[in-house]
Amino acid sequence: ECVLTQSPGTLSLSPGEGATLSCRASQSVSTTSLAWYQQKPGQAPRLIIYAASSRATGIPDRFSGSGSGTDFTLTISSLEPEDFAVYYCQQHGCSHSITFGQGTRLEIK
Amino acid sequence: QVQLVESGGGVVQPGRSLRLSCAASGFTFSNYPMHWVRQAPGMGLEWVAVIAFDGSLTYYGDSVRGRFTISRDDSKNTLYLQMNSLRPEDTAVYYCARDPVIAPPDYFDYWGQGTLVTVSS
Repeated sequence: ECVLTQSPGTLSLSPGEGATLSCRASQSVSTTSLAWYQQKPGQAPRLIIYAASSRATGIPDRFSGSGSGTDFTLTISSLEPEDFAVYYCQQHGCSHSITFGQGTRLEIK
Repeated sequence: QVQLVESGGGVVQPGRSLRLSCAASGFTFSNYPMHWVRQAPGMGLEWVAVIAFDGSLTYYGDSVRGRFTISRDDSKNTLYLQMNSLRPEDTAVYYCARDPVIAPPDYFDYWGQGTLVTVSS
């Protein structure tokens, strides 16, 4: 089973600060198989990053993804008020199945 | 623009069945694999199932395999999820989502707004 573990569970920061969100896989994941999503209350998730480091259409360049193997990171360089949300990582490389991390809540300090 | 609109949710008793639909527009539906993803109240995301662009392949998550069936009707630009033997733990918002890569499963570039299924007696 492919398990993704996100840390921290909650991150409290102020607008203008940088954020680093971690996603660790229980086994090695191809860099083409890791994506990140943003979800705000009452809304559907929105694709932020795919293939570990490629920004989705319309996503500002303050969002960046990196990593390989079992360790991946979503970085937001300078937080805007609209960035406070829950972020999920997702992998699609294990046995024709998909798993999500449990999410990191990014809240305003 | 790409639109995905789910319908068919509601309250259903344990053990009963329900069919969800997802109407797609704004893109060539028959060219894309499609997924169902669910989210229990206050919880994270759980992948449910995927169907290939031509319907030739389907894959399911462990918790629904054998009870749920994903299908599509390209003439109607509609995705379906037939849910049988429903359990209280199936209570969730169900989202349909598009997969941009022809060989699924991959990731989700567009999502619907979801439909709530509540399994309760």
